Amino acid sequence: KNQVEQSPQSLIILEGKNCTLQCNYTVSPFSNLRWYKQDTGRGPVSLTIMTFSENTKSNGRYTATLDADTKQSSLHITASQLSDSASYICVVSAPGGTSYGKLTFGQGTILTVHP
Amino acid sequence: NAGVTQTPKFQVLKTGQSMTLQCAQDMNHEYMSWYRQDPGMGLRLIHYSVGAGITDQGEVPNGYNVSRSTTEDFPLRLLSAAPSQTSVYFCASRRSGGGQETQYFGPGTRLLVL
Repeated sequence: KNQVEQSPQSLIILEGKNCTLQCNYTVSPFSNLRWYKQDTGRGPVSLTIMTFSENTKSNGRYTATLDADTKQSSLHITASQLSDSASYICVVSAPGGTSYGKLTFGQGTILTVHP
Repeated sequence: NAGVTQTPKFQVLKTGQSMTLQCAQDMNHEYMSWYRQDPGMGLRLIHYSVGAGITDQGEVPNGYNVSRSTTEDFPLRLLSAAPSQTSVYFCASRRSGGGQETQYFGPGTRLLVL
């Protein structure tokens, strides 16, 4: 069964510090990997999308990396801000029969940034 | 653009009642989908549509029906609500294409079934 595992489950950091979230997946074949940010009580918002041929993708202070050989991805947040407090979700896409793509969602990492 | 909108935001149902969760998007996206999010689990796909008049089942379709009569709207129907359907429901949409298109989510509907 295709799986996406994220670690840690939760993380607390101080404002201004950097942090790295991990995502390991077993989805195969693999189409692309996405990171989403989900604020409490809101829907997920896309941060990055990477294909299997991309190693890194940045979006402001967010940088995602991908190692398709080891099936691992990380999301690095630089100079954290209070507004970064959210759940970060890793999503892996496999090719789908209708071109919709079969998405497997991780459970998310809950990040809390303290002042 | 309003993006993806969902109504209602909150709903309490009794077991056996039926209801429809509304979803609309104004981005002219071909693809729309419904997910449920439960504590400790990733989002799971309920039903999806690749265009008006075309729908298909996702990972957890039992107890839910959908229809897509227009590009803009994709309602989700609970035929006979059960406590196991207590969850947060998200509607999403994206353009058709090779699979790298950004998926936009609505704000969610929180459903409690007593």
